[in-house]
Amino acid sequence: EVQLVESGGAVVQPGGSLRLSCVASGFRIDDYTMHWVRQPPGKGLEWVSAITWDGKKTHYADFMRGRFTVSKDSGKNSLFLQVNSLSPDDTALYYCARGILGYDSLDVWGQGTPVTVSS
Amino acid sequence: DIQMTQSPPSVSANVGDRLTLTCRASQSVSNHLTWFQQKPGKAPQLLVYSASTLQSGVPSRFSGSGSGTDFTLTINSLQPEDFATYFCQQTHAMPRTFGQGTKVEIK
Repeated sequence: EVQLVESGGAVVQPGGSLRLSCVASGFRIDDYTMHWVRQPPGKGLEWVSAITWDGKKTHYADFMRGRFTVSKDSGKNSLFLQVNSLSPDDTALYYCARGILGYDSLDVWGQGTPVTVSS
Repeated sequence: DIQMTQSPPSVSANVGDRLTLTCRASQSVSNHLTWFQQKPGKAPQLLVYSASTLQSGVPSRFSGSGSGTDFTLTINSLQPEDFATYFCQQTHAMPRTFGQGTKVEIK
């Protein structure tokens, strides 16, 4: 079964850091561009970041301002998002998702991992 | 960045109605437009990609059209399970951007 499972979300104080993980099963992440998308409570979807199939290119939303870093471990078939200098505005459910080959539309999503930034 | 604007923000409709949702891009995205459906507490589900290609398993009452800057998602004969929030996303350029969503509610 094709599946994505995120983990690593937590309650963290402003200025703190987290490393979010996403383990893929049923397919190889090296065959796809992989994405992170977040959703603040009660709000819409915000695209966060992407890493190409070969890991050579990474892309970020402007609001990242250099605070987030996407990476992957092919051997563990896993995707990661390092999030630093967190603020309350970063409070959201963070999803990882797979981009369809050739179109990059997101066809497989995880269940999300919650990040809450609060003092 | 390409801005995506959806209208209306919310709509009330009856089961059996035909509904058209709109998504507009701030610049041309060719046909690189995707539609998602999201139900409360669930991850988004892909409905339509490449503006008009129905994802496998999606009921044929859903259809997408448009190119350039103006796109529509049409739901023919609205069913109870279609009451949800719908988002568009452009896949033309990085950073990818979503519309703010249209919530479809029962009248």
